[in-house]
Order: sequence, then C-alpha cells, then structure tokens
Amino acid sequence: GAVVSQHPSRVICKSGTSVKIECRSLDFQATTMFWYRQFPKQSLMLMATSNEGSKATYEQGVEKDKFLINHASLTLSTLTVTSAHPEDSSFYICSAKGPGPRDTGELFFGEGSRLTVL
Amino acid sequence: AQRVTQPEKLLSVFKGAPVELKCNYSYSGSPELFWYVQYSRQRLQLLLRHISRESIKGFTADLNKGETSFHLKKPFAQEEDSAMYYCALTGGNNRLAFGKGNQVVVIP
Repeated sequence: GAVVSQHPSRVICKSGTSVKIECRSLDFQATTMFWYRQFPKQSLMLMATSNEGSKATYEQGVEKDKFLINHASLTLSTLTVTSAHPEDSSFYICSAKGPGPRDTGELFFGEGSRLTVL
Repeated sequence: AQRVTQPEKLLSVFKGAPVELKCNYSYSGSPELFWYVQYSRQRLQLLLRHISRESIKGFTADLNKGETSFHLKKPFAQEEDSAMYYCALTGGNNRLAFGKGNQVVVIP
C-alpha cells in the first residue's frame, strides 16, 4: 500500500523556538494531505487540510499563524509550529489520500511526530 | 457538522468471546463511515469501510442510517485484535472526523 513518512518522529525544543515537521508520500503523489493533532488518550483532531500549490485550509480554532503549513510539492507537506510553547506539546500526525480512485476515502497515515516543548 | 461518538473507552474481552464496538454519528448529508485501527507501536491504518461491505480480519460493520450507527463486530476475539479502534466519518471530501477511540484488550 501507499506509504506516508514523517520526520522527525520525536523532537524536543525550547519554548519560543520554531519546529518543522515533514510529511512525505513515499511512493505516490498526494495533492492533499491532512494534519492531525492527538492529545494523550484522546482522539485525533483535524487541524488543517494541506493542498499542493495553494494555501492550507484550517479548521475552526486552529491558528494559521501558529501552525504554518506548506505543501510545495506533490510528495511533501510541512507543518511548522512557530514560537512553540509547552501547551503545543502533542502528537502530530499527517495523512494523505491514497493514489486510488477519488472516492475511496482511504487515508494513509504517517507514524506521527511527538513534540515536547520545554 | 460531523460528529462521531464512541461511548466506551476501554473494552476487555476474553479470547474467543464476541466483541462489539459502538459508533454513532451525526451528519446532515450522506456520510462515508470507516473503522481505523492502531496496533501497538504502529501507525493508524484502515480496517474497513462501509461501502465495501466486506469482512476484514473477521470484523464486520453495518451502516444503519436509521439509528445513525456503524458498530464494529467480531464473533470471536483473538489476541492479535488488541488495539485502538477509531470510528471515522467523512462527507466525501476526505476530511475525516474521528471518534475518541476504543482500547480493546483481548485476554488470553
């Protein structure tokens, strides 16, 4: 099946710094990727939809200036957490629609990136 | 708005016993329903979708539009079924809304 890879899998940073997380589709082109955030023992919360070559669409309540998303190519989307604070510590997961027919609805998920802000 | 409800967080069952995970949804349009599974230390992956009407690893789920439910069932649980299970819904644009998930523990 289609493979989505995230990097880094873990990152620790100081408060006030920015952190970039990459999401790559390894063997297929992904015009649309999705970024989720997962708090401990809770569900995945959709943050934004990343569209190749255009601006990301953010969900209500998600700060676009805080969570910068860039989808510059068909295989790469990046999430940058700017001026990170401890409350941004979380598990961030990306996903991409697979290369199959448009209406399959199946998403392929990355392994996730755990961000810890000290 | 899309909403998915999974009432029980933790479900413990003995090996060989039936398992049922409940999922109810709220959506004004025509939804597509999915069950995703996350095994220990692995990424989230699709288990099954309602449009396929197939059984995967012995699991089945039937979409009941009258009750707005998409419960996941397996008649005989196996140890390898221990995992987190998430019910998810999309209105057709691939924006998935997830339920809070069920932790299933199969006791040998």
